[in-house]
Amino acid sequence: GENVEQHPSTLSVQEGDSAVIKCTYSDSASNYFPWYKQELGKRPQLIIDIRSNVGEKKDQRIAVTLNKTAKHFSLHITETQPEDSAVYFCAASNGFQKLVFGTGTRLLVSP
Amino acid sequence: GAGVSQSPRYKVAKRGQDVALRCDPISGHVSLFWYQQALGQGPEFLTYFQNEAQLDKSGLPSDRFFAERPEGSVSTLKIQRTQQEDSAVYLCASSQSPTDTQYFGPGTRLTVL
Repeated sequence: GENVEQHPSTLSVQEGDSAVIKCTYSDSASNYFPWYKQELGKRPQLIIDIRSNVGEKKDQRIAVTLNKTAKHFSLHITETQPEDSAVYFCAASNGFQKLVFGTGTRLLVSP
Repeated sequence: GAGVSQSPRYKVAKRGQDVALRCDPISGHVSLFWYQQALGQGPEFLTYFQNEAQLDKSGLPSDRFFAERPEGSVSTLKIQRTQQEDSAVYLCASSQSPTDTQYFGPGTRLTVL
C-alpha cells in the first residue's frame, strides 16, 4: 500500500522567512495530494491541494509543487507569520478516496 | 454553512466498556470517512462510506471496531470492549463526492483507563 514520508518533523523560522516541507510517496498510482494544517486541539483544515496533472499550484503565500517522476511534493510558505505556527500534514490518495497521511511537521514561527 | 460535527468531543471509558462515537457530515455529502489519530501522529484511515454503503473497512484494527451509516447521513463508530491502545482522537471527514476535498470534524478524544 501507499506510504508517505514527511520531513522535517520540526521547523523553526523567523517571521518573514520562508518555510519548506517535503513529502515523498511510494504508490505511483497516487494522483491527489492535499496539505492540511492542524492547530493544537483543532480539526485538520485543508490549505492547498494538487492533482497529478499539475506541477505547481499557488494560493497567496502558499504554494505546492509536485514531481511525479521522483514521487515527491513540497509545501512552500513565504513571508511566514506567527499565525502560521501549527502542525502541517501532507497526504496522498490514488483516487480511491482513502488519504494516507505523513507524520506531520511542527512549524514554529517566531516574531 | 455548518461543518462536520462530532459528539461527544471527549469520552473517558474504563477498559472493557463499549463506546459509540457520532459523526454528522456536511449536509448532502455522499462520502464519509473515519480516521484514528494517535498523539503526535498523522490521521490513519479506518473506514469509508459512500451513502449508506461501507465500501472500505480495511483500516479497522480489529473486529471490536464497527461503523455504520444506515441512512446515508449520520455515522456511528462503535468500539466494543475498549482497550488502552484504543486511546486516540477519532476524526470524521466528509466530501461532496468520492474524489472531492475531505472536510474534517473536530474529533472525539477517547481516553481508555
